[in-house]
Order: sequence, then structure tokens, then C-alpha cells
Amino acid sequence: EPEVTQTPSHQVTQMGQEVILRCVPISNHLYFYWYRQILGQKVEFLVSFYNNEISEKSEIFDDQFSVERPDGSNFTLKIRSTKLEDSAMYFCASKTTSGSPPNEQFFGPGTRLTVL
Amino acid sequence: GENVEQHPSTLSVQEGDSAVIKCTYSDSASNYFPWYKQELGKGPQLIIDIRSNVGEKKDQRIAVTLNKTAKHFSLHITETQPEDSAVYFCAASISFNNNNDMRFGAGTRLTVKP
Repeated sequence: EPEVTQTPSHQVTQMGQEVILRCVPISNHLYFYWYRQILGQKVEFLVSFYNNEISEKSEIFDDQFSVERPDGSNFTLKIRSTKLEDSAMYFCASKTTSGSPPNEQFFGPGTRLTVL
Repeated sequence: GENVEQHPSTLSVQEGDSAVIKCTYSDSASNYFPWYKQELGKGPQLIIDIRSNVGEKKDQRIAVTLNKTAKHFSLHITETQPEDSAVYFCAASISFNNNNDMRFGAGTRLTVKP
């Protein structure tokens, strides 16, 4: 069964450094998402991406964040200058189409980011 | 924006008993309500969902009910088993904006004691 994959599984970085989290969505999916989950808290929406542009972003997704689909398979989340509070689990998700009825988003296993 | 509240935050039941988790949402335009199960170290996995034109949906031991008037929906797990132990998240979203980005509840840690 196709699945969303994410690399690395765990990333440790120093405060102020740039990190890139990578995701490979399911191949025929068109909509891509990033979510984060701070330890013990709820999953929070960061950004959605469709047709090579951001569709929607939350208040968390400030100028320090960016997303890119550099080729036909990868979807990346970049944090330019990491802060301690960026430490969290970051989940990528994808789905096939939009519309009604809405359909399932498939989540990857996550990347645990630790900022020291 | 949408705000999803989930209760309880923790729930402990004996194997074979039923478990009920409840969520409320704020945006009356929300029309899709999935439930996710998250096991330790893994991403959320969809277990059941319900759309706004349906009041109840059942899949084997799990069922979900939706009350659009009251803006609440619930997950029911019957005949619980130890492998049901996990964190469960409800979510709500609006599909018409073509994004279907979801707002999650805070999660319920379910423990099923053998």
C-alpha cells in the first residue's frame, strides 16, 4: 500500500541553524500539508500546498518557514533560523483531490526536530 | 477560525468495556470530521470519518455520531482490546475551500487494561 515517507526520522540542530525536513507524498496525490505536534499537545496545521503554491497557512507559519516542491516527488519544509520552541514532531500529509465529499489525508510517520 | 475541543484528555477502561470520546467544534461550515489514532512514535492514522450529511457511521467495533445542531461529534469503541490503547484525535474541516486543512482536538489518551 502506498504511504507518505519522511526523512530524517529525528533531526537535532543548534538554535539559529537552518533545517530542511523532507517528505515524499503518495505519488498521485495533489495536495500537500505540513503539521506540527509539540510534545504532549495537539496536532497543529502549518501550511497547505497545491499546484506549486501555498494555498493556506496558519499563524504559526511565519517568515522563518518555507515550503517547496523541488521536483516531482519531494515536498520540503525549511526553517531558516530555528528557535527552541520549534522543537516538535513535524508531520507531512497528502491527499488526492479536493471537493465534495472531502477525502482522507494520509500522514507520514513524522520527523522529530530537537533544537538545542 | 475553527476551534475543536476534545474530552476527556485521558480515559482508562477495562478490556471489553466501551470507550466514548467527545468533541465539539465552533465553525458551522465544517462538514468533514475524521478521527485519527496515533500510536507511539507514529503518525496519525485515520480510523473512521463522518461527513455532515450523515448522523452516524459504524465500522465493526467503532462508530461515530454527529450532531450538527449542537456542533458535537463522538467516537464510540465497543468491546475494547489492549491494542486499542493509543492517543485518539478528532478533527474538523471545511472541504469547499479546496484545502481541507484540518483543525485537531487536543487528543485523548486511551488505556485499555487487560
